[in-house]
Amino acid sequence: EDKVVQSPLSLVVHEGDTVTLNCSYEVTNFRSLLWYKQEKKAPTFLFMLTSSGIEKKSGRLSSILDKKELFSILNITATQTGDSAIYLCAVGTGTASKLTFGTGTRLQVTL
Amino acid sequence: GAVVSQHPSRVICKSGTSVKIECRSLDFQATTMFWYRQFPKQSLMLMATSNEGSKATYEQGVEKDKFLINHASLTLSTLTVTSAHPEDSSFYICSAKPGLADSREQFFGPGTRLTVL
Repeated sequence: EDKVVQSPLSLVVHEGDTVTLNCSYEVTNFRSLLWYKQEKKAPTFLFMLTSSGIEKKSGRLSSILDKKELFSILNITATQTGDSAIYLCAVGTGTASKLTFGTGTRLQVTL
Repeated sequence: GAVVSQHPSRVICKSGTSVKIECRSLDFQATTMFWYRQFPKQSLMLMATSNEGSKATYEQGVEKDKFLINHASLTLSTLTVTSAHPEDSSFYICSAKPGLADSREQFFGPGTRLTVL
């Protein structure tokens, strides 16, 4: 059975802090790893990673994949209250590209 | 960008009734749609993969006779929760994938919150 595990489950930080969210996986027929941000409704796409060691960056967010160790991290620098959300990691597998989601990390950024 | 809609956004029904949820891709054709369920403070759980014109593929533990999926056209998939019970109360989210695109191009709908009394 495919498994995706995220840590920590929840995190409270002060505005301006840097956070690192972790995602490890055990799946068959890996195709890609994706990060999503979920606020009140459906997840919004952040990154897709398919190759090891290549950092993807978007503003204050960045992510990298290690296919040998089967994990990925999502970094957020200079956090803002608007970053408060649940961050979901998902692994795409097989030809149908179905996604297996992790449990999510609930991030709260306080003033 | 690609937009996926769901209807209704929220539904409350009595135990024993059936509820239909629609998922539409508004500006692209979706050969594959996925249905997820999310319980409070939990992650999304894939229920089934729906391909246009063929039977849906259900994940282990999901009752196909209870959660009927129809993907009759390239822009519409429906999920019918039959004989709903309070334990079916959840947030149901669909996603749609255009053509043979890679995993990134799986666009999520806004979700439907089902409450069964």
